[in-house]
Formats: sequence, structure tokens, C-alpha cells
Amino acid sequence: AQKVTQAQTEISVVEKEDVTLDCVYETRDTTYYLFWYKQPPSGELVFLIRRNSFDEQNEISGRYSWNFQKSTSSFNFTITASQVVDSAVYFCALSGVFTGGGNKLTFGTGTQLKVEL
Amino acid sequence: EPEVTQTPSHQVTQMGQEVILRCVPISNHLYFYWYRQILGQKVEFLVSFYNNEISEKSEIFDDQFSVERPDGSNFTLKIRSTKLEDSAMYFCASTPGRGPREQYFGPGTRLTVT
Repeated sequence: AQKVTQAQTEISVVEKEDVTLDCVYETRDTTYYLFWYKQPPSGELVFLIRRNSFDEQNEISGRYSWNFQKSTSSFNFTITASQVVDSAVYFCALSGVFTGGGNKLTFGTGTQLKVEL
Repeated sequence: EPEVTQTPSHQVTQMGQEVILRCVPISNHLYFYWYRQILGQKVEFLVSFYNNEISEKSEIFDDQFSVERPDGSNFTLKIRSTKLEDSAMYFCASTPGRGPREQYFGPGTRLTVT
């Protein structure tokens, strides 16, 4: 079974601070995919990033960066120079490779990020 | 930019009533999903659908639930006899093809069962 753990339930930062959201996952699959989604107060789920299990290269995209470490089963997400508009719930999600083609996402419980002025 | 749409945005129904939640996935997508999120909790997978049949379903998706793609654009979730515990936000999602890709979510339908 797959499991995603986001131990941080809520984080509060002051604008312009960097913030890292932690994600730890469990899976028996040798190939899998990890995602981060953002859920702003309006409620929709917005895709942010995807990483596959066979590529541990960490990347930066604008103010977002992520640190994937297979050895510790972690997929942490960092927002640099946070802004008030970053205030949202952030979900880490995991997907295996299903032979039928469909790939359900297993979500963590989310981290509420509050960015204050 | 193409997006997934869902109607209605909010549905209030009485316990025991049938509800149908509607979704229009992105037009060239082939895989469709329903998820639900009970208020303040995590998003949970319900069912995935491809080529006019269910490809995977969760334990939540029991006989009270069904999905259908009645035409070339709509994708529906039916709950036959709603219970109080069905109150949640229901999200539809779609992906363009095979393999684990990012799923594009609709804005959700908030279902309130009274």
C-alpha cells in the first residue's frame, strides 16, 4: 500500500522568508511519481510539480524548488521568498504505475501555509 | 487554457436522495478520476475511468456509487442514496494519456447532505 506523510500540519512565516514543506512517502513500487499540489482558500487543486523515482536531480523553477531523496523516501518542497499569495494548503501526492493506465494519486494530509506581512 | 469544469458548484440534498455530479474533462484527455475531500481532511481517491470502464476503484466506492460517460464530453458521478457522511467536496480530474502524469483537477462540487 502507498502512504504519504506530511508531518507539518501548519506553518506560519513572514513574507520573504523561505519555507520548506516536508513529505515522506512509502511505496513498494520500484517506479513511482511524486507530486505537489496547492489548494488555495478558493478550494481548487493546482498542480505544481512532478518528479519520477528514477530521476533524483533536484530542480528549481522560479521560487519553487524540490529536494527528492530516495534513500530517505522524502520529497520536500521549498518556496523561496514567500509571498502572501502563497498562503494555501499544500499536498504531497504519490502515484505508482498501474498496468491499466490509470494512476490514482495517494495524497498526504496537507500542510497549511500561512504567509503574513 | 483548457480546464476541467464541474457542475454544480454546491449541491444540497436530503439523506437518501440520489445525486449526480457532473464533470467536463479536458477535451483530449483519456483518463478520468473522481476524488473526494471531507472538510479539513486529505483528498481521497474514489475511482478511475478509461475507455468507458472503471480501471480502478477504492474501498470508498461501494455499490452506492457509479460513474458514467454518457456522451463524448461529460463524466458523471452518481450517488444512489446519499448519507450524511457523503458530505464532502468532490473533485473530478483528467489526464491526457497512459502513465502517471499530473492530473488536472476541476474546481470541485461541494455536496452537503442534510
